Order: sequence, then structure tokens, then C-alpha cells
Amino acid sequence: DVQLVESGGGLVQPGGSLRLSCAASGFTVSNIYMTWVRQAPGKGLEWVSLIYSGGNTRDADSVKGRFTISRDTSKNAVFLQMNNLNTEDTAVYYCARGKSGSNWQLDYWGQGTPVTVSS
Amino acid sequence: QSALTQPASVSGSPGQSITISCTGTSSDIGTYDYVSWYQQHPGKAPKLMIYDVTNRPSGISNRFSGSKSGNTASLTISGLQAEDEADYYCSSFRNNYSLVFGGGTKLTVL
Repeated sequence: DVQLVESGGGLVQPGGSLRLSCAASGFTVSNIYMTWVRQAPGKGLEWVSLIYSGGNTRDADSVKGRFTISRDTSKNAVFLQMNNLNTEDTAVYYCARGKSGSNWQLDYWGQGTPVTVSS
Repeated sequence: QSALTQPASVSGSPGQSITISCTGTSSDIGTYDYVSWYQQHPGKAPKLMIYDVTNRPSGISNRFSGSKSGNTASLTISGLQAEDEADYYCSSFRNNYSLVFGGGTKLTVL
């Protein structure tokens, strides 16, 4: 069965950094595109970053230059390095798998890891 | 302000049908068939209900259907059930290589 388990969230001060992890099982992360999507408290979904199977990445304008998506095939995991965090980055961060044969559509999601940016 | 426009709320009685609209632009929905719909219950992760405008993933009830006309996509739920009460989000690929979501629609089953 496909499973995604996020970790690494927590409380961080403005200007700080966090690294989120997404451990995958039931498939190989390097064979499909993977994304991070976030949801601020009481708000809707917002796409954050994507990594293609070939390794190229794309980022939302709101995080460009601050967040970096990556993967480790030996760990079968995807990561989100978040730097220079601000209060607007407070959200639950979900890792999601791209649907094979389709583009930019997400068929499995993790349970999410909360990130709070506050002084 | 979300990139795609959805109604904030819709409601219907058990057994009825409802439709949720999702309006974008020629940069996303109007040009690409990479349109999805996600269901999210409170405190839970989103769940893919429709992909590529009209397709249902394995295990999704055929009471859920999707369509598109011009810049607007729609999700129709027929034979409403209490368990359908949730938030629904549309999404689309945009031509600047980004993924855009709607603001979400809260479905209430009366």
C-alpha cells in the first residue's frame, strides 16, 4: 500500500529554518513527481513545491528563493528545506504523490505536519 | 484571493444532486485538462475524487462526476449522502508551471 508520512514540523521563530521530511512506502519516489502543499489555519490549499521524476523542481512564487524541495532515493523520501520563515508560512504541510500518467494531479497525501512561525 | 474561484458553500438534502463550479482562466482550466477535485473532511488530508477533468480514481463512487466548459470546471455529486459533507477543492495546472487551487467549497448535507 502507498503511504506517506511527514515529519519535522514544529514551532520556529521568524527568520528561522526547518526541514520537513516525507517518508514514502509502497512506491519509489524517484519514479513519479512529488509535491508539497500547505494549508494555513482555517484556509484553503496552497501548492508549495514540486520535484519531477527527472529531478527538476518548481516552486510557488511565495516561497521561491526560500524553500527547496529535494529527495533521497536511498531513503525513499522527499524533503522541504524552509529558510527565512515568516508568519505567513504557518500552516499544515502535506506531502503528496503525483498521479502516474497525469500531470500535476495528486493521488496520495500524507497526514500533514504542522509548522508554526511565531516569536 | 485564490487563483480559481469556487462558491464558498453549497447545500443539498440527502438523495439530491449538487454541482460545485470552479472558474479559472485561459492560462489554466481553459487550456489544460489537468483539472482535479479533492474532498477534505475536518482534520483530515485531502482525497483525490476526480482527475483529468472527468476521471475517477479506483474506489471513488460513480456518484461523483466532473466536467469542463471553457474556463469553468464543475463537480457534480448525485444521490447526496451524509458522508459527502466536507470541503471540496478544485485544482488546475497553470501555464507558468504552477499548480493552482480554488478557495474551497463547504458542502452541507441538510
